[in-house]
Amino acid sequence: GQNIDQPTEMTATEGAIVQINCTYQTSGFNGLFWYQQHAGEAPTFLSYNVLDGLEEKGRFSSFLSRSKGYSYLLLKELQMKDSASYLCAVMDSNYQLIWGAGTKLIIKP
Amino acid sequence: GAVVSQHPSWVICKSGTSVKIECRSLDFQATTMFWYRQFPKQSLMLMATSNEGSKATYEQGVEKDKFLINHASLTLSTLTVTSAHPEDSSFYICSASQGVWDGSSYNEQFFGPGTRLTVL
Repeated sequence: GQNIDQPTEMTATEGAIVQINCTYQTSGFNGLFWYQQHAGEAPTFLSYNVLDGLEEKGRFSSFLSRSKGYSYLLLKELQMKDSASYLCAVMDSNYQLIWGAGTKLIIKP
Repeated sequence: GAVVSQHPSWVICKSGTSVKIECRSLDFQATTMFWYRQFPKQSLMLMATSNEGSKATYEQGVEKDKFLINHASLTLSTLTVTSAHPEDSSFYICSASQGVWDGSSYNEQFFGPGTRLTVL
């Protein structure tokens, strides 16, 4: 079966750095997405990785290792507004998105 | 650009009634629209994919007679939950993309803000 695993909840301090991990097992791989979702809202796109390595975009970076079936999202200089759920999604061989359950990130002052 | 709206944003209905949710692409032509359902603290689950003018493709386990999807124009798709029951209470999210989904390539999906359905 297809499986995406990520921690249920993480807590971090404002101004700090946090890394959210995602491991996956899917039928085929055509890229991995990270989305941010605030409570009661739709997901918003953060990043897309299809090749191994680190993609940096401002305070957010995303890393992919295809051989390990592993990705992480790195958030730097955390702000209170970063409190949200972070969803990992893998595009399978049919170009469908398989979603993880999301990691709820709580930022404390 | 690439804005998707949903209406209503929330709805409460009685068990046994039907509810229609609209999904609109405001500034682009949505050849393909996707309907997702998300239960609390769970991942998004794809319910169905529809290409404009064609019948929707439903995921395994999703009853097509209960969840009626219409995608009659390039800017509007509707999801009708027929004979709703409390277990249908969920967050329904649509997304839209410009390209045709045929399982051979990816076109970026733009998500609507979601509709919270509560069935009493």
